[in-house]
Amino acid sequence: QQQVKQSPQSLIVQKGGISIINCAYENTAFDYFPWYQQFPGKGPALLIAIRPDVSEKKEGRFTISFNKSAKQFSLHIMDSQPGDSATYFCAASMTGANNLFFGTGTRLTVIP
Amino acid sequence: ETGVTQTPRHLVMGMTNKKSLKCEQHLGHNAMYWYKQSAKKPLELMFVYSLEERVENNSVPSRFSPECPNSSHLFLHLHTLQPEDSALYLCASSRVWESYNEQFFGPGTRLTVL
Repeated sequence: QQQVKQSPQSLIVQKGGISIINCAYENTAFDYFPWYQQFPGKGPALLIAIRPDVSEKKEGRFTISFNKSAKQFSLHIMDSQPGDSATYFCAASMTGANNLFFGTGTRLTVIP
Repeated sequence: ETGVTQTPRHLVMGMTNKKSLKCEQHLGHNAMYWYKQSAKKPLELMFVYSLEERVENNSVPSRFSPECPNSSHLFLHLHTLQPEDSALYLCASSRVWESYNEQFFGPGTRLTVL
């Protein structure tokens, strides 16, 4: 059973637009929700993360929105740029656990 | 660079070969991980070493054999692989006892099994 479900699988956005990627989870014990960005030929790199005690976290153009009651969280990329074209993975974990449960990834393409 | 290196970056092997993947981290971390990344599937956690002790083995076939000689190095020994084992193999590291599991990934080894 997949612990974290991610959508859409792929996304095409115009430069300057907003990219939105959604994730949902079932395990209420999860208390750490990171987003990873992966460029071709590279490993995933931590982009931004949130804990469930806040509903939103913003770092530059990247914002995580978190809805604890709905068990959903999303990544918003404002003013999307061609350099943001990459695959984005959401993940979830719980304190003290070794596992990070990843979504299936979203391939984002930002067209000039 | 993330401070996690992997060699080789690309590997082509036959089903009867024996090869090894190497991972090295320069971050002072004490937990290391092997993941398998296949197209359109979530990253699959294969093995976890914490303080040089294997703490997780997610039902990985015995044709994959990990080794962690110290906290900076991790190996994945491969033998008699199948074509469906072709994938990107990622190594990651983190710091144990952190309140959150921030993992740093290497660039991966692209494995092709013929």
